[in-house]
This record gives sequence, C-alpha cells and structure tokens, in this order.
Amino acid sequence: GDSVTQMEGPVTLSEEAFLTINCTYTATGYPSLFWYVQYPGEGLQLLLKATKADDKGSNKGFEATYRKETTSFHLEKGSVQVSDSAVYFCVSRGYSSASKIIFGSGTRLSIRP
Amino acid sequence: EAGVTQSPTHLIKTRGQQATLRCSPISGHTSVYWYQQALGLGLQFLLWYDEGEERNRGNFPPRFSGRQFPNYSSELNVNALELEDSALYLCASSLESGGANTGELFFGEGSRLTVL
Repeated sequence: GDSVTQMEGPVTLSEEAFLTINCTYTATGYPSLFWYVQYPGEGLQLLLKATKADDKGSNKGFEATYRKETTSFHLEKGSVQVSDSAVYFCVSRGYSSASKIIFGSGTRLSIRP
Repeated sequence: EAGVTQSPTHLIKTRGQQATLRCSPISGHTSVYWYQQALGLGLQFLLWYDEGEERNRGNFPPRFSGRQFPNYSSELNVNALELEDSALYLCASSLESGGANTGELFFGEGSRLTVL
C-alpha cells in the first residue's frame, strides 16, 4: 500500500545551519506531496506543497522538489532559525476521491541559538 | 474567516466511559478528517467524512465512531475508553473538488483526551 517514510528525529542543529529532512514515498500513480509543520502547542499547518513531478514548493525559506525518479520530496532550508524548531510531517495524497492521506511519522527539529 | 474549531480543548475521563469530541470545519469545506496523535508525534488516521458520508476509516476498533452533520460539522465518539486512548485528537477540513485531491488540509488546535 501507499506509504511515506521520513527521516527519524530528533534533529538538533545550530542556528544558521543547513537543514535537510529526507522523505520518500510509495504510491500508485502520482500523488500530491506536502510538508506540514507543527509548532509547540499548536495544530498542524501547511508549510509547502507540490502537485506534480519536478514541481518545487517553497515557503518561509523552506524548499522541497517533487522527484518522481527517486520518489522523494526532501525538505531543505539554507539557514535555520530558532523559530523553526517544530515537528515536520511529510504527507502524500493520492489522486482519487477514495484516497487516504498518508502522513510520515514526523521529524522533531530543535535549533540551538 | 474562522478556522477549524474543536471542542472541548481538554477532556478528562475514566476507563470505561465515553468521550465525544466535536469539530466545525472552515465554512464551505465539505470534508472532515480525524487523526489521533499520541506521544506528541505520529498521526494515526481515524476517519474521513465527506458530504455526510464516511469515506474511509483507519485501523481502529469499532468503539471509535463518528458522524458528519448536514452543516458538515462532525463528531468523534470513543466508547469504553481505555488508558491508551489518551492522546491529542486532531480534526482537519478540506474543500474536496471531485476526484482532484490536491487540496490542503486545515487543522484545528486539537482536543486533548486524558483517560485515567
């Protein structure tokens, strides 16, 4: 069945470091891909998305490119800030009205000042 | 415009009791999803409602049930509560557009259920 595998955390980085959180998916067809972020004590919110191969989603300095050949959607940021400390979820959603939305297990990111 | 609202924010029950959680989607959204988030990390899919019907269900026992009302709000019921049901229950809504499921999910802040 469909699945999403993302990098296990926790990930701890210093401020201004480069961030990569890996995400790979398995799916029938071509799903839409999302990164959601959950800040401490809050609900989830969409960070960025890509709906077809080679699309690049970007927001708040974060980027992720939909790579069909490697079935990946890795999240990157060139210079992280303390305020980026949160849990990040990679999500796939199939192109079908009956599709479930598949969440990765989440990666907790902590940024040291 | 109001976002997804959930109530209650916190709920404390004892084993064997029943819990009812409520969710109001964003105006115009017809789909409601329920997720369980235990241990502060992974989300487990519970239920998906669209246009008043249950569209999909996760791997949870039948004592987890719900419904969607004509105004698209939704209720999650958990019967015969067990200690391991303690979790944050998140509701999300989206605007379904035929079969094109490319839409964003909008999440509420969640209802934290504690079972003693």
